[in-house]
Amino acid sequence: DIQMTQSPSSLSASVGDRVTITCRASQGVSNHLAWFQQKPGKAPKSLIYAASSLQSGVPSKFSGSGYGTDFTLIISSLQPEDFATYYCQQYNSDPLTFGGGTKVEI
Amino acid sequence: EVQLVESGGGLVKPGGSLRLSCAASGFIFSDAWMNWVRQAPGKGLEWVGRIRSNSDGGTTDYAAPAKGRFTISRDDSKNTLYLQMNSLKSEDTAMYYCARRNGFDIWGQGTMVTVSS
Repeated sequence: DIQMTQSPSSLSASVGDRVTITCRASQGVSNHLAWFQQKPGKAPKSLIYAASSLQSGVPSKFSGSGYGTDFTLIISSLQPEDFATYYCQQYNSDPLTFGGGTKVEI
Repeated sequence: EVQLVESGGGLVKPGGSLRLSCAASGFIFSDAWMNWVRQAPGKGLEWVGRIRSNSDGGTTDYAAPAKGRFTISRDDSKNTLYLQMNSLKSEDTAMYYCARRNGFDIWGQGTMVTVSS
């Protein structure tokens, strides 16, 4: 199984900050990497697919990059609605696996 | 509006069975590969399994914890995805989500399954 390791597991940030979350795969996943946002009590929401493609309707303050084993999600200017938990996920090979999550707190 | 709505969750005793449903609307369900994902209380996300579109064979794949106990099926005439869960264990307690495609671009709101005596 491909292990997905996110760092940090949590971070504290302020409104307006630039936030960077990293995700490392235990083996190469090409660009088959997605990012999700989850708020408490809600279903996850897709932000990024194919490592760097923004889902329709997702604001451009979110961006993704990377290929192979190392990936990054950047939130360019953190807003109050962005405080949530973020997950990466590889869909290159079965079983599909998720990172452990990064909780972004005020 | 593209939408997925799960139902069928509830409280079940260890060893029992439950069938979850996921009703799809707003897209061509028959063309979509569909997945089930679960999340235990306070934990991260875990893929359960997928079913391909019938045009791609309609075959299924499962994560190890689900193999032999869970069965994913679909009824394209009803735009509905199913998850039949048998021999349930306490560790199956989770919110269960359906999600479209391997990249999980659309998620339902989830249905809670609690396995407890």
